[in-house]
Amino acid sequence: QVTVRESGPALVKPTQTLTLTCSFSGFSLNTRKMCVSWIRQSPGKALEWLADIDWDDDKYYSTSLKSRLTISKDTSKNQVVLTMTNMDPVDTATYYCVRMTYYDSNGYYAAYFDYWGQGTPVTVSS
Amino acid sequence: DIQMTQSPSSLSASVGDRVTITCRASQSIGSYLNWYQQKPGKAPNLLIYVGSISQSGVPARFSGSVSGTDFTLTISNLQPEDFATYYCQQSYGTPRTFGQGTKVEIK
Repeated sequence: QVTVRESGPALVKPTQTLTLTCSFSGFSLNTRKMCVSWIRQSPGKALEWLADIDWDDDKYYSTSLKSRLTISKDTSKNQVVLTMTNMDPVDTATYYCVRMTYYDSNGYYAAYFDYWGQGTPVTVSS
Repeated sequence: DIQMTQSPSSLSASVGDRVTITCRASQSIGSYLNWYQQKPGKAPNLLIYVGSISQSGVPARFSGSVSGTDFTLTISNLQPEDFATYYCQQSYGTPRTFGQGTKVEIK
């Protein structure tokens, strides 16, 4: 079965770089239509998509955070890493790693998030 | 970026009620719309994708529909375990955007 798990520091200081690792099993990022995404949720707020990486190593980023984010994968380890530079207290949130895949039928090629990690809380404070 | 607007932001309902949540896209996105349920302290859970296709294991009381740029999630016969926050998300393109959420509370 598919499992997804996030790991990383619970506390970072302002201006530091956050590095989060997603470890997954039950699928491969070498398989067509498989992707891994990062999504975050600030306390009491809505979900915010951050970045994707797909089976073809294509990468996509949030418009507002693009300059601060880097996503990469290690398919041999079944891991995806997200780095976010210049952390600020407004970046305090729970960060989710999520599998994204595609519905490919009836003329649609549509992505959806089907397996979520439990989330890792990150606090930005000095 | 495509903006997704949900309404209402919250609602109160009773067990057994029929509940509808609406999501509107700022531009045409076809049926490229997904719905998620999130309970407090938990990760979201996929309910519906491509506007109206139910994810495996999702109870039949959850259904989705599309009309132009308006999307509706309907919960018929609301159950105690359905009290949660619901989010829509467009999958038309990147950046992938979510609605602001609709909290369904017990009346």
